[in-house]
Amino acid sequence: SQKIEQNSEALNIQEGKTATLTCNYTNYSPAYLQWYRQDPGRGPVFLLLIRENEKEKRKERLKVTFDTTLKQSLFHITASQPADSATYLCALDMRTGANNLFFGTGTRLTVIP
Amino acid sequence: EAGVAQSPRYKIIEKRQSVAFWCNPISGHATLYWYQQILGQGPKLLIQFQNNGVVDDSQLPKDRFSAERLKGVDSTLKIQPAKLEDSAVYLCASSSPRTGANVLTFGAGSRLTVL
Repeated sequence: SQKIEQNSEALNIQEGKTATLTCNYTNYSPAYLQWYRQDPGRGPVFLLLIRENEKEKRKERLKVTFDTTLKQSLFHITASQPADSATYLCALDMRTGANNLFFGTGTRLTVIP
Repeated sequence: EAGVAQSPRYKIIEKRQSVAFWCNPISGHATLYWYQQILGQGPKLLIQFQNNGVVDDSQLPKDRFSAERLKGVDSTLKIQPAKLEDSAVYLCASSSPRTGANVLTFGAGSRLTVL
């Protein structure tokens, strides 16, 4: 069956450290993988996307890797801040005829001052 | 640029009652989505429109859920009759794919509680 799994439901880290979130999938072949941030009571906000032929993408303190052999994406936040506390969702863009996204369950990140 | 507008933000109803949610996407975005997000889960697609036509409604419980997007702009999602398990946040999103990827802009959501 098809699955998208994100590491532990919740992740707590100390301010200034690097947070690493994982997204593993089975029985999918995404053309793109996207990462969104969701704050309580708000809709998800797009952060970054990476294509299947890209290994790594960076944007300011964010870095995403994509390994289609391992079927895994890693999402890193360096020099984490309390304002980075949120739920982070990975989404597989299948590029099917319908062009819709399949979301993981999310990882709730808390950055402790 | 104005974001995706949704209303109402909150709704509490009894089971078997009906409810409607409204969404106004970003101006010019041809594709509109309705997602259901149950507490602790990721968003699940209910229906996708391209302009005013349905692209994918395979996961829409059609015996109780309906959606329309007349004139290809704003959209309404209706639930009738509601069940307890429909308690969730209903997220509307829109997109205008330019780079080949499908980046979504979401609204704040409509939180439904069914008692």
